Amino acid sequence: DAGITQSPRHKVTETGTPVTLRCHQTENHRYMYWYRQDPGHGLRLIHYSYGVKDTDKGEVSDGYSVSRSKTEDFLLTLESATSSQTSVYFCAISSDSVGQPQHFGDGTRLSIL
Amino acid sequence: QQQVKQSPQSLIVQKGGISIINCAYENTAFDYFPWYQQFPGKGPALLIAIRPDVSEKKEGRFTISFNKSAKQFSLHIMDSQPGDSATYFCAPKGAGGGNKLTFGTGTQLKVEL
Repeated sequence: DAGITQSPRHKVTETGTPVTLRCHQTENHRYMYWYRQDPGHGLRLIHYSYGVKDTDKGEVSDGYSVSRSKTEDFLLTLESATSSQTSVYFCAISSDSVGQPQHFGDGTRLSIL
Repeated sequence: QQQVKQSPQSLIVQKGGISIINCAYENTAFDYFPWYQQFPGKGPALLIAIRPDVSEKKEGRFTISFNKSAKQFSLHIMDSQPGDSATYFCAPKGAGGGNKLTFGTGTQLKVEL
């Protein structure tokens, strides 16, 4: 399995609180991604990174921010969590070779009450 | 705008039967066509992928058929086994930077004894 660790694996929090999810990789891959998975929607890209301090928005980026200060770590922050952000969040990594697959972590289940 | 349409949403197949999942896309710039398999509590994992210069690729019991003119590709699972019970996603990749994938909404496959 690709060396991807997501933390925490589960979190319950209240509306309006800030939340940070962490993705850590040991593969030294260039690309890192954050997705959310919701029933009926598949996986939707939130943000991705193509290098240290280089990030870009995905299709559902509103309400989320990201940071990548080191190659191995990619943080996803919900500045003020809302109930609509209750979801399962997946981190993925990919090398910079053309056509290389993305490898996924095991997800973080986030519940916002 | 739904760029990727996956069908069926769910599928029940008898052990030993053939499972067929279809994916239709709109974006002609997609240049890599993978299928991912996801078990409960886990992240998606690459199952098999095809490039648009071939019409079929087979790996063991899994086959991708690709029809470029119809903008469709499908996953065939021969001799389906209970261990194949999982959710399957098509996730074509755009030709632009970032190796970004566009996921279908998923097919829940159950293989019965």
